[in-house]
Amino acid sequence: GDSVTQMEGPVTLSEEACLTINCTYTATGYPSLFWYVQYPGEGLQLLLKATKADDKGSNKGFEATYRKETTSFHLEKGSVQVSDSAVYFCALRLLSNTGNQFYFGTGTSLTVIP
Amino acid sequence: DVKVTQSSRYLVKRTGEKVFLECVQDMDHENMFWYRQDPGLGLRLIYFSYDVKMKEKGDIPEGYSVSREKKERFSLILESASTNQTSMYLCASSFEGRRLSPLHFGNGTRLTVT
Repeated sequence: GDSVTQMEGPVTLSEEACLTINCTYTATGYPSLFWYVQYPGEGLQLLLKATKADDKGSNKGFEATYRKETTSFHLEKGSVQVSDSAVYFCALRLLSNTGNQFYFGTGTSLTVIP
Repeated sequence: DVKVTQSSRYLVKRTGEKVFLECVQDMDHENMFWYRQDPGLGLRLIYFSYDVKMKEKGDIPEGYSVSREKKERFSLILESASTNQTSMYLCASSFEGRRLSPLHFGNGTRLTVT
């Protein structure tokens, strides 16, 4: 079935380190892909999105490229900050005859230490 | 900016009480969703609605019901609250049928059932 698998955490990095959070998906159709971020005590916020193969989504220094050949959408940032500490969720959206289906990964917790 | 508002950030209820969680969105979205979020289990879909008075069961509907009398409002009802319904509840909304359209989340309601 359709699903999202993302790298398990928690991840702890020092400030200015490089970040990669892996995300792969299984989908029967042509999904749109998203990364969401959840700061402590808050709901999920959209971080970036991509709708077709080779699209690159970017926001706040984060990037992810929609790779159809490897069914992946890895989240990357070149230099993390303490304020990036949060939980990150990879998600996909499929259009089907029963409406819209969203699938989420289980989340990856990131802690950035000064 | 899309705004999804959940009526309460924190709720404490007793076992057996009837509990209403309210959610309002201001972007004329057709689709609305209720998720619960638990440590180690990620996001799980309880119910969703793609139109007024329409509802569909998600992955874990047992013990819950929903109401959508107006397009902008989607209520989650716990008919008889139990301790295993202690959780973070997240409401979300999106446009119907638009591949780029992400889910927009509220800030969540943390429910404790004692």
